Amino acid sequence: QSALTQPASVSGSPGQSITISCTGTSSDIGSYNYVTWYQQHPGKAPKVMICDVSNRPSGVSDRFSGSKSGNTASLTISGLQAEDEADYYCSSYTTSSTWVFGGGTKLTVL
Amino acid sequence: QVQLVESGGGVVQPGRSLRLSCAASGFTFSSNGMHWVRQAPGKGLEWVSIVWYDGSKEYYAESVKGRFTISRDNSKNTVSLQMDSLRAEDTAVYYCVRDVGWNLAYWGQGTLVSVSS
Repeated sequence: QSALTQPASVSGSPGQSITISCTGTSSDIGSYNYVTWYQQHPGKAPKVMICDVSNRPSGVSDRFSGSKSGNTASLTISGLQAEDEADYYCSSYTTSSTWVFGGGTKLTVL
Repeated sequence: QVQLVESGGGVVQPGRSLRLSCAASGFTFSSNGMHWVRQAPGKGLEWVSIVWYDGSKEYYAESVKGRFTISRDNSKNTVSLQMDSLRAEDTAVYYCVRDVGWNLAYWGQGTLVSVSS
């Protein structure tokens, strides 16, 4: 199972919006709505920001939103803040009953 | 609140074995699948394995299949990962993760495994 494809890095200024893409195949993202997005700060465990493609867990800011089209999922962060600077990962359930992660995207807030 | 506490990490020589454990609390442990996910130093996340809520099924990443074995004890609220024939490339922080509806929803703080001679 190959990793999902994410851009290595994205950047934006405070207050702006950015979108991180996560491209898979018909064997993962294209087959299920079990796409999860994680935020990870250095030295910390990942934190779930979006589950089931577009659902925000309790306590996650509504500045974070998720969507999916075909084999590609996306995470959008609006109103960028300094504390959003982190690594972001996507994951998906697959038709092999396994899970696969994206390679990660480093978000820099300029 | 949900708590997942990993233990058992450490330094081990290539070819040797190590057993990780994860103690869960704050939820009905026997109702959820449990995963192990790892992260090599400076690298991304890699899914390792899942055991179903009742222990009836297990699935593994190709990179660990045949070397790692996941198990759970619902009477003790624990999940374990037996790692045999360890390689340098198994060096990573290993996270215990609770599955909720096929999402890796709750994460422990991780335990570091270092495979080195």
